[in-house]
Amino acid sequence: KNEVEQSPQNLTAQEGEFITINCSYSVGISALHWLQQHPGGGIVSLFMLSSGKKKHGRLIATINIQEKHSSLHITASHPRDSAVYICAAHSNSGYALNFGKGTSLLVTP
Amino acid sequence: ETGVTQTPRHLVMGMTNKKSLKCEQHLGHNAMYWYKQSAKKPLELMFVYNFKEQTENNSVPSRFSPECPNSSHLFLHLHTLQPEDSALYLCASSTQAGGPYEQYFGPGTRLTVT
Repeated sequence: KNEVEQSPQNLTAQEGEFITINCSYSVGISALHWLQQHPGGGIVSLFMLSSGKKKHGRLIATINIQEKHSSLHITASHPRDSAVYICAAHSNSGYALNFGKGTSLLVTP
Repeated sequence: ETGVTQTPRHLVMGMTNKKSLKCEQHLGHNAMYWYKQSAKKPLELMFVYNFKEQTENNSVPSRFSPECPNSSHLFLHLHTLQPEDSALYLCASSTQAGGPYEQYFGPGTRLTVT
């Protein structure tokens, strides 16, 4: 099973700060997902990437396949970014996503 | 709007009850998933259906019984549950299963077993 570790577990930032959330995984993958979960439970897919870097608005996701590591960056953070961010690794075989425990982000005004 | 709906949103049931969770996707996808999210734990995959066929059962106890009558609908039938089954149950769909396809999640059903 692919072990997926996220850091930090909890993060508090002031509005406007640059935020980085890290994810590492233990075995080769076909893709890595970043998900956002707001209070109440709904999950939104932010990125799916297998190499390089993707950008959407103030969010940037990067992945280094050789180092088995991915980062999610939020520029100019805003209180509405407060949520749990979850990293999930899609294995090379099988149907499953292996999920990290999530990073709980609180952005204060 | 994610295109994946779940009902009910909240459910309280006794250990001897039988209930069902429903998921519907309006995205034209061929794969559907059930996940369990317990407090302070990562999401756990329960079941995968690909083109209406069950392709994954992640060692789920038989008190959880999935049903996929067509590619748009997925049910999770519950009976004689235990208090530790209280969790958020999430449904998701993707174009198909077996590859790195983006998954679209429903809002979840918050289940409490008393």
